[in-house]
Amino acid sequence: DVKVTQSSRYLVKRTGEKVFLECVQDMDHENMFWYRQDPGLGLRLIYFSYDVKMKEKGDIPEGYSVSREKKERFSLILESASTNQTSMYLCASRTGFSYSNQPQHFGDGTRLSIL
Amino acid sequence: DQQVKQNSPSLSVQEGRISILNCDYTNSMFDYFLWYKKYPAEGPTFLISISSIKDKNEDGRFTVFLNKSAKHLSLHIVPSQPGDSAVYFCAASPNTGTASKLTFGTGTRLQVTL
Repeated sequence: DVKVTQSSRYLVKRTGEKVFLECVQDMDHENMFWYRQDPGLGLRLIYFSYDVKMKEKGDIPEGYSVSREKKERFSLILESASTNQTSMYLCASRTGFSYSNQPQHFGDGTRLSIL
Repeated sequence: DQQVKQNSPSLSVQEGRISILNCDYTNSMFDYFLWYKKYPAEGPTFLISISSIKDKNEDGRFTVFLNKSAKHLSLHIVPSQPGDSAVYFCAASPNTGTASKLTFGTGTRLQVTL
């Protein structure tokens, strides 16, 4: 079974802080994704990476950056946290090798509160 | 612009009956569709998918139907069980290449009552 692990389940930070959210997957997947989930808005893609050191902006990248130095790890960085970044953050991974359709597999999420 | 729409925020169904969750999309480039189930304080779990070359896919109690001309898909759960109570997200992807991005709907909360 695919295991996607997010380092923290709950996190409380202050406005202006630099915040790091970590995600690790154990299936040697090429593709990794960061989403945020907000009530009434579903899941929105922040950034994704199709391979090591590769990254692309998703639909809502403003205020965020990412790092993918190793295949198994994908980090989301809030450069200067603001209260409107309070949300549930979800990491996902997916195999990129196969050109057949494959689902993304999600971690359990990090509920981040910015005070 | 919401490209994947789940117009029913909630649905209540009696145990043993059929649950039907609906999803509409606007982007004709979408060709792979998925349903995810999410319990509170957990990540979404992949449930079932369908490729645009099919109009039906079945897995146990779960069946997904795709109507490409109407740009509509639905998830049928029969019989519904209390453990099916969760939020269900519909998602769509435009291609089968690397890093296929998913576009999600806003979710439908299903409550299965005794």
